[in-house]
Amino acid sequence: QKEVEQDPGPLSVPEGAIVSLNCTYSNSAFQYFMWYRQYSRKGPELLMYTYSSGNKEDGRFTAQVDKSSKYISLFIRDSQPSDSATYLCAMSSYSGGYQKVTFGTGTKLQVIP
Amino acid sequence: GAVVSQHPSRVICKSGTSVKIECRSLDFQATTMFWYRQFPKQSLMLMATSNEGSKATYEQGVEKDKFLINHASLTLSTLTVTSAHPEDSSFYICSAGATAPEETQYFGPGTRLLVL
Repeated sequence: QKEVEQDPGPLSVPEGAIVSLNCTYSNSAFQYFMWYRQYSRKGPELLMYTYSSGNKEDGRFTAQVDKSSKYISLFIRDSQPSDSATYLCAMSSYSGGYQKVTFGTGTKLQVIP
Repeated sequence: GAVVSQHPSRVICKSGTSVKIECRSLDFQATTMFWYRQFPKQSLMLMATSNEGSKATYEQGVEKDKFLINHASLTLSTLTVTSAHPEDSSFYICSAGATAPEETQYFGPGTRLLVL
């Protein structure tokens, strides 16, 4: 079993739709939870970062963490064509003195105008 | 803040040659930098972790003699792919560990390596 499971998609939605992206994990040691956005042929860009259960909102993006269920989500409201990208969930814990990050496989999202 | 650059962005080389990729943290000092490899339609795979002034720690299955990592300063880490072969063709991405604005890794834009 992988430490982090993420549906690879692809996920195709019409412009303006609410998008829900999800990941599950098995390692209870994970302390920090991130969502990265990666455009084709580019490095990942940090979108959301949280370390506690609950919701965190930033503009059209809401990150949700449920540590009891080992489940995290990213919601995108009023999705735009420019949101089309691969979204990677990531989780980290301290290992050997630094934050070691484990990534999901990424979900490819396409927002259709 | 937390900007990481990588150079070159793209390189094409002949089989058997060595290629050096630079990773710089532009507006913060990074004690720890990370090197990842990403094959098409796959997630990032950690290759090694480098700490400034000490030897890199390689993940299982990554040849340390083939992928030489040097972290000479708090803002620069280099990855050298020695005697590159076509199977080394991939997207190489570095990241730098930061404490602000968030305590996480910030990624460079990546280097696409094509070995002919």
